[in-house]
Amino acid sequence: NAGVTQTPKFQVLKTGQSMTLQCAQDMNHNSMYWYRQDPGMGLRLIYYSASEGTTDKGEVPNGYNVSRLNKREFSLRLESAAPSQTSVYFCASSGLATVEAFFGQGTRLTVV
Amino acid sequence: AQRVTQPEKLLSVFKGAPVELKCNYSYSGSPELFWYVQYSRQRLQLLLRHISRESIKGFTADLNKGETSFHLKKPFAQEEDSAMYYCAPPRQRDDKIIFGKGTRLHILP
Repeated sequence: NAGVTQTPKFQVLKTGQSMTLQCAQDMNHNSMYWYRQDPGMGLRLIYYSASEGTTDKGEVPNGYNVSRLNKREFSLRLESAAPSQTSVYFCASSGLATVEAFFGQGTRLTVV
Repeated sequence: AQRVTQPEKLLSVFKGAPVELKCNYSYSGSPELFWYVQYSRQRLQLLLRHISRESIKGFTADLNKGETSFHLKKPFAQEEDSAMYYCAPPRQRDDKIIFGKGTRLHILP
């Protein structure tokens, strides 16, 4: 039972480069989330998707785009990476029968 | 919107001493609250939920409606308790899950 899987685990980007963080869940959850975690700031919601085909902004959406490709997959894209986007990114999902979140292992992104 | 506040960014406690991580909530009705834990360089995982009234790894959390609090407590801290702890409400009607800012618990030897 894999749960929530994120790729890659680590990434170093140069300023201005683009990349996509992938997330997949195998729990048949409707809701999926992207968070960033920064020291002293806790977990902040970037974007979320309540169901396949829908996405909504969270607390800190600027500089990011998302795609809910299907029920399983929710990707996060940085079109032009900036040093301020250096962070640890977590994907999470939540189902109808449960109201808590299940997390992926995180992606440590460094933008130089 | 259902919000939680964790007033302490860092809490240092000696091994064997009691631990209390504070969480206050700011919504009415019957709240359902959770504590998540993140050990060093690991994913966040659910520690406990108030409706189950369970004790996990010696931790308990009681909902106090009068004080609108859901503090996480453990009578005797252990070194392996060092971690980041997040308080959170359940998934909301708009499907958001907004976490508190977290408290880093550091157990001193």
